Amino acid sequence: KQEVTQIPAALSVPEGENLVLNCSFTDSAIYNLQWFRQDPGKGLTSLLLIQSSQREQTSGRLNASLDKSSGRSTLYIAASQPGDSATYLCAVRKRQLTFGSGTQLTVLP
Amino acid sequence: DGGITQSPKYLFRKEGQNVTLSCEQNLNHDAMYWYRQDPGQGLRLIYYSQIVNDFQKGDIAEGYSVSREKKESFPLTVTSAQKNPTAFYLCASSIDLTGFSSYNEQFFGPGTRLTVL
Repeated sequence: KQEVTQIPAALSVPEGENLVLNCSFTDSAIYNLQWFRQDPGKGLTSLLLIQSSQREQTSGRLNASLDKSSGRSTLYIAASQPGDSATYLCAVRKRQLTFGSGTQLTVLP
Repeated sequence: DGGITQSPKYLFRKEGQNVTLSCEQNLNHDAMYWYRQDPGQGLRLIYYSQIVNDFQKGDIAEGYSVSREKKESFPLTVTSAQKNPTAFYLCASSIDLTGFSSYNEQFFGPGTRLTVL
């Protein structure tokens, strides 16, 4: 059974810092990996989707990488801002999405 | 303005009651999903549907039921058999069910918070 782990569970950084969020998964036979953002009490917003054949995807200040063979993905956020404060979830897909528990990010002004 | 809508935003249920959560999408997506989220945890799949009049159980289907009479709509009923229904419920959709499509992102609605009184 696929298991997805996100470390750390919570992270607090000063504004302007570059940061990396980690995601690991136990079964490397995935079709794609998706990173989401969730604000308190809200639904999920899709940030990036990486196909299993890809190594990375970029959108603005966000860069996600995928190393399928080692079962790892990272989400890099450049020049963090207080508006980036949210919970970040990764999910891997074979037939269905399996989610990690998320990393709660706080960017301090 | 395309997207997924869920209603109500907040729902309160008394013991022994069935309640139905609404999910509508105008993205012309074939696949729709229901997830449950508990505090500090990731999402768990309740039910999913690939096409009208077809749906499959997810990991935690016990105590829930769904229907898919229209492509746009995928309502979830939380029955009295669900012993611990207090949670945040999220509906999602994607173009199709397979993982092969490069466009197969899942898009989520705003959620319904269900509380048992």
